[in-house]
Amino acid sequence: RKEVEQDPGPFNVPEGATVAFNCTYSNSASQSFFWYRQDCRKEPKLLMSVYSSGNEDGRFTAQLNRASQYISLLIRDSKLSDSATYLCVVWGQGAQKLVFGQGTRLTINP
Amino acid sequence: ETGVTQSPTHLIKTRGQQVTLRCSSQSGHNTVSWYQQALGQGPQFIFQYYREEENGRGNFPPRFSGLQFPNYSSELNVNALELDDSALYLCASSPIRDRFIRMQYFGPGTRLTVL
Repeated sequence: RKEVEQDPGPFNVPEGATVAFNCTYSNSASQSFFWYRQDCRKEPKLLMSVYSSGNEDGRFTAQLNRASQYISLLIRDSKLSDSATYLCVVWGQGAQKLVFGQGTRLTINP
Repeated sequence: ETGVTQSPTHLIKTRGQQVTLRCSSQSGHNTVSWYQQALGQGPQFIFQYYREEENGRGNFPPRFSGLQFPNYSSELNVNALELDDSALYLCASSPIRDRFIRMQYFGPGTRLTVL
């Protein structure tokens, strides 16, 4: 079983739609959680951290459910510029490393 | 931009050759991590360097090795290249090393193609 699993998509949604991504992680001792965004042939960039209480940054809302080991990202009023691959990332216990999911590819259509 | 730089941006090698990739960390960052990202996959942790020593390693064979220099820049060396080593190699730097280090800032990557 992969340490971090997410639906690879692709997701194709119209501009203005709301889209949700989900992710599960296997290590219950994981400490920190993130969503990264990666544009085609570019490096991953931190989109937002994810906290147990849930957190929001403009049109983006992230949620963490430690009991279910589940992370989500909600994008409201999607824009063409939101088209990218979204990576679910967990700070792994032990070695000082980020553990990435496979990524979910999102395309926003005009 | 994160301030993390990598060179070269692209590289083509043949099987069996050796390659060295370079990374300059962001100013004030003393920890460098290397990741391999194959096409269509998320990045996978190779190893991390702190104070010029390897500090944690992922599931990569010994032909993947590295160095960190006193100025915190780093090199990734891969010997006996295989076709499956074709990938984007990402370097990420972090400001401090502790158990809860979180923020890693990625460079633009080096795209390696092995023919």
